[in-house]
Amino acid sequence: KQEVTQIPAALSVPEGENLVLNCSFTDSAIYNLQWFRQDPGKGLTSLLLIQSSQREQTSGRLNASLDKSSGRSTLYIAASQPGDSATYLCAVLSSNTGKLIFGQGTTLQVKP
Amino acid sequence: EAGVAQSPRYKIIEKRQSVAFWCNPISGHATLYWYQQILGQGPKLLIQFQNNGVVDDSQLPKDRFSAERLKGVDSTLKIQPAKLEDSAVYLCASSRTGSWNYGYTFGSGTRLTVV
Repeated sequence: KQEVTQIPAALSVPEGENLVLNCSFTDSAIYNLQWFRQDPGKGLTSLLLIQSSQREQTSGRLNASLDKSSGRSTLYIAASQPGDSATYLCAVLSSNTGKLIFGQGTTLQVKP
Repeated sequence: EAGVAQSPRYKIIEKRQSVAFWCNPISGHATLYWYQQILGQGPKLLIQFQNNGVVDDSQLPKDRFSAERLKGVDSTLKIQPAKLEDSAVYLCASSRTGSWNYGYTFGSGTRLTVV
């Protein structure tokens, strides 16, 4: 059974810091991995999608890496801003079940 | 392209009442999903449609939850009767066929509070 874990559960940093959010999954049989952002009381906004054959994807200040063999992904946020404060969720699309399985999220607070 | 539309945004009901949520996916997306997200947790899949057929409803509490997708476009999710533990955000998502290439697009969700 695929399980997705995100560490840490919460993170507070001062503005301007570079930071890394971690995601691990137990089954390497995946089609892709997707990072989402969720603001309080809102839906999910897709940030980055990494195919299983890819190693990383970049969008602006965000960079996501994928190591399928070790079951790990990281989301790197450069020069963090207060507007980055949100919950970040990673999800893997299992190639065994066709289901999108989520981690529990990392809640980030960037202090001015 | 327009996003996934959901309504209502918020709903407060008493336990044992019924409630319905509506979702309109992105045009051309054949696959539609309903997720339940309890506070502090990641979303959990309730049901998946491919066009107007159910692909997976293994985690849908069928004694109280029902869903339909008429004509393979809009979808409604109903809870009857609601319990306190149904308080959550209900998210609708859609994807093109072959979501392994394109990923999922989520709506803004409906926040349900059962009192």
